[in-house]
Amino acid sequence: DAMVIQNPRYQVTQFGKPVTLSCSQTLNHNVMYWYQQKSSQAPKLLFHYYDKDFNNEADTPDNFQSRRPNTSFCFLDIRSPGLGDAAMYLCATSWTYNEQFFGPGTRLTVL
Amino acid sequence: KNEVEQSPQNLTAQEGEFITINCSYSVGISALHWLQQHPGGGIVSLFMLSSGKKKHGRLIATINIQEKHSSLHITASHPRDSAVYICAVRSRVNTDKLIFGTGTRLQVFP
Repeated sequence: DAMVIQNPRYQVTQFGKPVTLSCSQTLNHNVMYWYQQKSSQAPKLLFHYYDKDFNNEADTPDNFQSRRPNTSFCFLDIRSPGLGDAAMYLCATSWTYNEQFFGPGTRLTVL
Repeated sequence: KNEVEQSPQNLTAQEGEFITINCSYSVGISALHWLQQHPGGGIVSLFMLSSGKKKHGRLIATINIQEKHSSLHITASHPRDSAVYICAVRSRVNTDKLIFGTGTRLQVFP
C-alpha cells in the first residue's frame, strides 16, 4: 500500500546531542512537510519541500534543518535538541498543495 | 480569535449515538480537511472538501462555503471512534499551509 513511513517511531536523545528523524513515502508526492506537535496542541508547520525547493516557516528555529535527497525521502535534523523540543514530529506529503497524507509520527524525548 | 474554531472542545457519547462536530472559519478557503488523531498516534486524513458533502462509511462531512461552516457527522458511533478530530483549512491566500482548529476530543463509551 502506498504510504508515508516515519522512522523511528520513538526516539530518545540527550540534551544537545544531534538527532535525525526520517520520513519516506511511496505516494510519489512532490510536496513533503514536517510538523511539530506538542501535547494537546495543533500541529505546527516547521517547513516543507515543494519538489527540491525548501520553504522554511519564519518562526522555525535555526536548530531545525531539513534535507530531501530525493523524491521519496525527507529528513529532519535537530542540531542541538533542548528540553523544549520534546514533541511528536509528523511528516506529511501531498501532490502539489492538495490533500495531505500524514505519517504515524516520531515521538522525541529529550533527556 | 482563532481563524478556525471547532465546537465542542470535548464530547462524550454512548455507543450507537449520532455525533456532530462543528467547524467555523473566518478566512477564504480553497479546501477544508477533517483529520483524525488517536491518542499518541499519527494523523489520518478523513476528508478534503471544497463544496457539498462527502460520505465514507459511517462518516459524513458537509461544508457550506457561504456560511464558512463545516460539520463532521459520525453515525452509529463506536468506542474505536474515540479520538481527536481536527478541522484544518487551506486559505486562498497562503495555499502552501493548513490552518488548524484546536480539535475536538471525542470519547465513545460502550
